[in-house]
Amino acid sequence: DTGVSQNPRHKITKRGQNVTFRCDPISEHNRLYWYRQTLGQGPEFLTYFQNEAQLEKSRLLSDRFSAERPKGSFSTLEIQRTEQGDSAMYLCASSTYRAATEAFFGQGTRLTVV
Amino acid sequence: GEDVEQSLFLSVREGDSSVINCTYTDSSSTYLYWYKQEPGAGLQLLTYIFSNMDMKQDQRLTVLLNKKDKHLSLRIADTQTGDSAIYFCAGNTGTASKLTFGTGTRLQVTL
Repeated sequence: DTGVSQNPRHKITKRGQNVTFRCDPISEHNRLYWYRQTLGQGPEFLTYFQNEAQLEKSRLLSDRFSAERPKGSFSTLEIQRTEQGDSAMYLCASSTYRAATEAFFGQGTRLTVV
Repeated sequence: GEDVEQSLFLSVREGDSSVINCTYTDSSSTYLYWYKQEPGAGLQLLTYIFSNMDMKQDQRLTVLLNKKDKHLSLRIADTQTGDSAIYFCAGNTGTASKLTFGTGTRLQVTL
């Protein structure tokens, strides 16, 4: 296992289109997190899953955003009707329940909305 | 909510020590973290400290925590060019590993 994997690495889309990102966590990690990072800022928490259950969502996660983790393994983050303000790096992280202090991040998906 | 503040930029000479500072507002964080981000890359966990500790040392890294002043620092000894990156401090809030990050400090190491 080489760590948290995110696909695609880069995505350019036109305003109004839908996009979906995928995150594959480290295989034995049952917690998975999504963060968003805009240019010059630190990452901001969006949501997290324990196994397949989505346990917390930030108010940043508007109704255009939806995240799923159907089988408790990989997760998808979908953004509907993209806006220019959605342009950011979307980061995924995972951890075990017992070692929730140590979250490992993927390399992120950079979204550009034109 | 938690606010975490960092200075934006630090420049040091190779071989010198670097000290990156962070202040936070929420004293309920159980753990405080330092992450490193290189250009175009994700975040790499460098170290973390439990809130009831004052200091933690890990090879070239020393973390100091002053809970009274809500101040966290990261000292990098013998700074190398490979240490050039953005460094984020973060605290966990609420459950699990939900982290609140600072805005990051860009460390530039010069020859």
